[in-house]
Amino acid sequence: DQQVKQNSPSLSVQEGRISILNCDYTNSMFDYFLWYKKYPAEGPTFLISISSIKDKNEDGRFTVFLNKSAKHLSLHIVPSQPGDSAVYFCAASADSGGSNHKLTFGKGTLLTVNP
Amino acid sequence: GAVVSQHPSWVICKSGTSVKIECRSLDFQATTMFWYRQFPKQSLMLMATSNEGSKATYEQGVEKDKFLINHASLTLSTLTVTSAHPEDSSFYICSASLRRVSDTQYFGPGTRLTVL
Repeated sequence: DQQVKQNSPSLSVQEGRISILNCDYTNSMFDYFLWYKKYPAEGPTFLISISSIKDKNEDGRFTVFLNKSAKHLSLHIVPSQPGDSAVYFCAASADSGGSNHKLTFGKGTLLTVNP
Repeated sequence: GAVVSQHPSWVICKSGTSVKIECRSLDFQATTMFWYRQFPKQSLMLMATSNEGSKATYEQGVEKDKFLINHASLTLSTLTVTSAHPEDSSFYICSASLRRVSDTQYFGPGTRLTVL
């Protein structure tokens, strides 16, 4: 049972336009969400996170939106740049007893930004 | 800040030998370190969670006698793949977090293990 789902395996966007990466989750105990960027043969790089008490968090070109009622979050990248081309992973954790604060990852979305 | 290193970045070994991978948090003290494995075109699979000074917690299906984890200090965790077999060939990634602050994990660059 996949608790964090990224239903789009890939996304292609033109340079300068907005990239929107989506993520859905099923576990209502999740209360902290993160986005990571990963290049091949490298470890993931932390991008941005959001706590469940917020619905939006912004950091430069990256904005994460959280819709708790829909159990959905999205990452917006504006403007998109060719260097943003990578696999983006959505992750979630639950601050509940026994969870050990593990991150549950989605399967990732490959973003390609075309010049 | 929040830099995590791994050593070695790649290793090739013969079947039956053991391989040790080191994970270090360079600029912060990590209360918890995690070990992941990634197969080609797959997501990250958590293998185990380790807290400094205590035994690691292994995920279901991960053999603790095969994948030995030691977390001797707040900045160093090691993963030893014992009696390696070709099916252990994979990309191993560690991460570290300062849980008192948040659940954000900072990842190392990964280690490519190839078992011949």
